Amino acid sequence: NAGVTQTPKFQVLKTGQSMTLQCAQDMNHNSMYWYRQDPGMGLRLIYYSASEGTTDKGEVPNGYNVSRLNKREFSLRLESAAPSQTSVYFCASSEVRTGGDTQYFGPGTRLTVL
Amino acid sequence: QQPVQSPQAVILREGEDAVINCSSSKALYSVHWYRQKHGEAPVFLMILLKGGEQKGHEKISASFNEKKQQSSLYLTASQLSYSGTYFCGTEDSGGYQKVTFGIGTKLQVIP
Repeated sequence: NAGVTQTPKFQVLKTGQSMTLQCAQDMNHNSMYWYRQDPGMGLRLIYYSASEGTTDKGEVPNGYNVSRLNKREFSLRLESAAPSQTSVYFCASSEVRTGGDTQYFGPGTRLTVL
Repeated sequence: QQPVQSPQAVILREGEDAVINCSSSKALYSVHWYRQKHGEAPVFLMILLKGGEQKGHEKISASFNEKKQQSSLYLTASQLSYSGTYFCGTEDSGGYQKVTFGIGTKLQVIP
């Protein structure tokens, strides 16, 4: 099992450009998440999808859109990138079950917006 | 609301013990602990549920005080491999796993 995979690993954008970050998981999990991580801020939830066909805003959704393409894939789109979106982006997935759950994280995408 | 972690950073010598605390102003359903090494993704350590028992594996364990909305992570006889940033995440209702993470505690173990 590959677990959670993300593409690309690194990306540099100019202000105003758009791009889509891809995430896929092969663990048959229902829930998927997008986080951003900035120095001194911890992990902040951008959007999440509790199940296929549903998405919901997290703590910092402005400037982002998401698509839950199917059970495996959850993409994050920046329509018009801004320098404030320079960050490391992590995708995660989990399966809610009795007794607690684990979020499995992908390796991250390091995005720089100039 | 983001949980508060303390300390923000700690340096240990191999073999020493450490405690990392996590507190919230809201009633909690669960507390999650993750460790992240530099340049890598966060990795799950353990989850503590409301009404559940203290958990642990190897020399890392954790407790959850529901009344005080606090959790503590205990690292005993630290090893070099324990170095990294430790995050607690809190969930204030069961269901979607909508976890709010603290800003992390940076732990460095030196020889």
